[in-house]
Amino acid sequence: GNSVTQMEGPVTLSEEAFLTINCTYTATGYPSLFWYVQYPGEGLQLLLKATKADDKGSNKGFEATYRKETTSFHLEKGSVQVSDSAVYFCALKIYNQGGKLIFGQGTELSVKP
Amino acid sequence: GAGVSQSPSNKVTEKGKDVELRCDPISGHTALYWYRQSLGQGLEFLIYFQGNSAPDKSGLPSDRFSAERTGGSVSTLTIQRTQQEDSAVYLCASSLVATSGTDTQYFGPGTRLTVL
Repeated sequence: GNSVTQMEGPVTLSEEAFLTINCTYTATGYPSLFWYVQYPGEGLQLLLKATKADDKGSNKGFEATYRKETTSFHLEKGSVQVSDSAVYFCALKIYNQGGKLIFGQGTELSVKP
Repeated sequence: GAGVSQSPSNKVTEKGKDVELRCDPISGHTALYWYRQSLGQGLEFLIYFQGNSAPDKSGLPSDRFSAERTGGSVSTLTIQRTQQEDSAVYLCASSLVATSGTDTQYFGPGTRLTVL
């Protein structure tokens, strides 16, 4: 089946620290990969995406590279800010399987000043 | 509209009552999705529509759950005889088409359902 596994949270970092949130997937077809973010009190927003192997998605200083050989899509940021505190969801979608997103369990990030 | 809207934002109901949740997708988006977010289960897919048809209802947890979409726009998710385990945030999303593997889904703010 299709599934996404994320590292468990909560993750607590100091401002300007380096962030990695691990995400691995299992897919029966060829997936597109996404990171969504949910800020406190807000709805889910797309952060970045990658649609084929070796693509790198990037946005707001975050980046993730689609690694087919390791079935991974780890999220990284070089220097986090307090405003990055949120819950981050890794997700996949299989081409021609209706477009439903399959989400990981979410990783809560808390950045302290 | 500018984004996906959902109503009501909050709904408190008594066990055994029926509830209807509404979703207004982004204008021009032909695909519409319902998800559920709960503490124990995370984010789960429920059903999606392409136009007014629902090719995949596999995520609906029981026959108490149903959804429809009319005019290729507004969708309603109905839960009959609500149970306490139905308490969750119900999220709606829309995208241009369902069959694209790369299409971005845009999410609404959700309806928080509490069943007492």
